This record gives sequence, C-alpha cells and structure tokens, in this order.
Amino acid sequence: DTAVSQTPKYLVTQMGNDKSIKCEQNLGHDTMYWYKQDSKKFLKIMFSYNNKELIINETVPNRFSPKSPDKAHLNLHINSLELGDSAVYFCASSQDLMQTQYFGPGTRLLVL
Amino acid sequence: DQQVKQNSPSLSVQEGRISILNCDYTNSMFDYFLWYKKYPAEGPTFLISISSIKDKNEDGRFTVFLNKSAKHLSLHIVPSQPGDSAVYFCAARVRSNDYKLSFGAGTTVTVRA
Repeated sequence: DTAVSQTPKYLVTQMGNDKSIKCEQNLGHDTMYWYKQDSKKFLKIMFSYNNKELIINETVPNRFSPKSPDKAHLNLHINSLELGDSAVYFCASSQDLMQTQYFGPGTRLLVL
Repeated sequence: DQQVKQNSPSLSVQEGRISILNCDYTNSMFDYFLWYKKYPAEGPTFLISISSIKDKNEDGRFTVFLNKSAKHLSLHIVPSQPGDSAVYFCAARVRSNDYKLSFGAGTTVTVRA
C-alpha cells in the first residue's frame, strides 16, 4: 500500500540520453512535487502541480519537463542528460498546497 | 543561497539520552517550520511542525522549540531510541503566500546502544 511510489528506483545512463521517471500517489492528493537532492544533500523544489496545473517552476533547465496526465501522476522527463543531473530525485504529494508533503522513496540517477 | 541551515552534519547519542538537533534560518518571513526524518533508501517522512505563533510544540518524545528573535529552532528527542537513527531535515516556508519548502542539508543522528 505504498502512498507515493516512484519508478525506477535506480537509473544509470549515458550522457546525452533522454529518460523519464514516473511518480504515482494513491492518497487522493491534489498537489504533487518534484525535488532534487544534490551532492550537498539539500532538497530543492523543482516543480509543483496543483490539480494538474503547473504552480511552481523553479530555475530548472528546460531539458526537464514535468507531465501530469492526471492528479495521481506526475512524471519527470529529462532530455539530453548531463553529468550534473546525477542526483536523487524525490516525488512528493500533499492534500493541497499548504498541507504536509508525503515523499516517495526517491530515484537515484547516475549519468556516466 | 541557503535560507535554512543545519550546521551539525552528524550527532551521536547514547540510547535513553536526549538528542538535540539545531536549525537556523535567515528569512524572517518564514512562519511555518517542519522536521522530516529520513531512513536510507527511503523518502523523508514528516515528523513534527510548528507555527511561528508558538514557541513550542510537543508530540510524544519529540519537541520542537522556536526562537524567532534568534531565527533558530531545535528538535529534542527524549529518550533517544535506536530506531531514531536517521537523517533529520529541518524545513521552512512562508505559509501565507509561498508554496515552497526550503530544506536544510540534514543532520545524521546515530543512537548508540
């Protein structure tokens, strides 16, 4: 009964490739997020969708494109992967923009 | 520019004793603060929060203290248990008009038997 799930858990790929990470929540939440945890361990917000509408779009290269097919899913597509994209990516969801965020287990991306 | 700082990357404490984790922030507009706990290979899980109108919030073994004038908050865990060994993240937001959580870098707590 995983509340927020992400696939894949691990992703190893070559520079220049395009990859997607999927996120699903079964909590009935309206809001979903993508965070990046960099090498210094800071969790930084990348995107937020509320009711399938983009609310937060931080200064992220446009190689990163979120897609929300419905309220329960927020996928992250990354074009032309670079070495600096190596990080752990966390998906999260909340009832609305002000409520507690619940995180997925993370996707560990390694770009070679 | 990190607005939330956890200056102690690690903390080791004896089982049964108190763990005190510290967090400092620079944005005086922050009005809501949270602590998250994270085990290896898992996502952060919400632990406890405090609004800026309070200076203390308690939930079982966990108490968060807020000192607004010093822009400082702390998390006390009493008594510490082996299952408390994890990374603890401090987070803050401007609840009234900002949807973004700003996180610290985390403090790794190790509880020794």
